[in-house]
Amino acid sequence: GAVVSQHPSWVICKSGTSVKIECRSLDFQATTMFWYRQFPKQSLMLMATSNEGSKATYEQGVEKDKFLINHASLTLSTLTVTSAHPEDSSFYICSARDLQGQGGYSNQPQHFGDGTRLSIL
Amino acid sequence: SQQGEEDPQALSIQEGENATMNCSYKTSINNLQWYRQNSGRGLVHLILIRSNEREKHSGRLRVTLDTSKKSSSLLITASRAADTASYFCATAFYGNNRLAFGKGNQVVVIP
Repeated sequence: GAVVSQHPSWVICKSGTSVKIECRSLDFQATTMFWYRQFPKQSLMLMATSNEGSKATYEQGVEKDKFLINHASLTLSTLTVTSAHPEDSSFYICSARDLQGQGGYSNQPQHFGDGTRLSIL
Repeated sequence: SQQGEEDPQALSIQEGENATMNCSYKTSINNLQWYRQNSGRGLVHLILIRSNEREKHSGRLRVTLDTSKKSSSLLITASRAADTASYFCATAFYGNNRLAFGKGNQVVVIP
C-alpha cells in the first residue's frame, strides 16, 4: 500500500519550454503533498507544500510564478516549471502522507514518488 | 553524522558487516524518520521513531533516539549488497507538516 506515482520519470526539453510533473497517490488520499528538489549527491530541499483545494505554501526563495503547483484533488498534485532554463535542471521528487494512516496524521511517514529527472538544454 | 556543519558521510563495508550511521538535530521534534534512496530513485521510508521512544527495530534495522543529545543512529546488521544506497534522517516538528532532511549517508556494501 501507500504508493505514490510520479510522471514523467525523465524529461529533456529546450529552454523556454514549460514542463508539467504529476504526482498521484494511488491507494490513499492526501490533503497535503510535498515537492522537493535534489541536486546530485545532496539532500532534499523542500520547495513547496501542496494543499488540496487551496494555494500552495512555498519555501523562502522559491519563485511562485516559476514553479506553479495545483492540487486539484485528494490524489493528484502537479508541478509546472514555467519557461524552464538550464539552471532549472534537477531531480524533482514529490511525496504525500496518508490521511487515514494509523498512529495519527502527525506520525505518518511521507511516501515518495520515484522522482523526475528534468534536463533543460 | 547528518545535519549540523558536517559533510555527508560515506561508508564502505563488506557484505555481512554491520553499518552504523548517525544523525543530529537542533530543536525539539515530534518524531524522527529514516529513509533510503537508491541512486536516481525516490525515497523509501524505513523506520519512524517517536520522541518518547528510545529504540525501534524493523528486520535488520535498529534505530535509537537520544532526545537529550538530539541524536539518532541507524544500524543495519548483516549488510547485503542490496543495502547499497543513501540513507537520510528526517525530523518532524510539532504542529508542522514538513520534514527537515539531513545531508545523508552514502553506504556501499561490497559483495
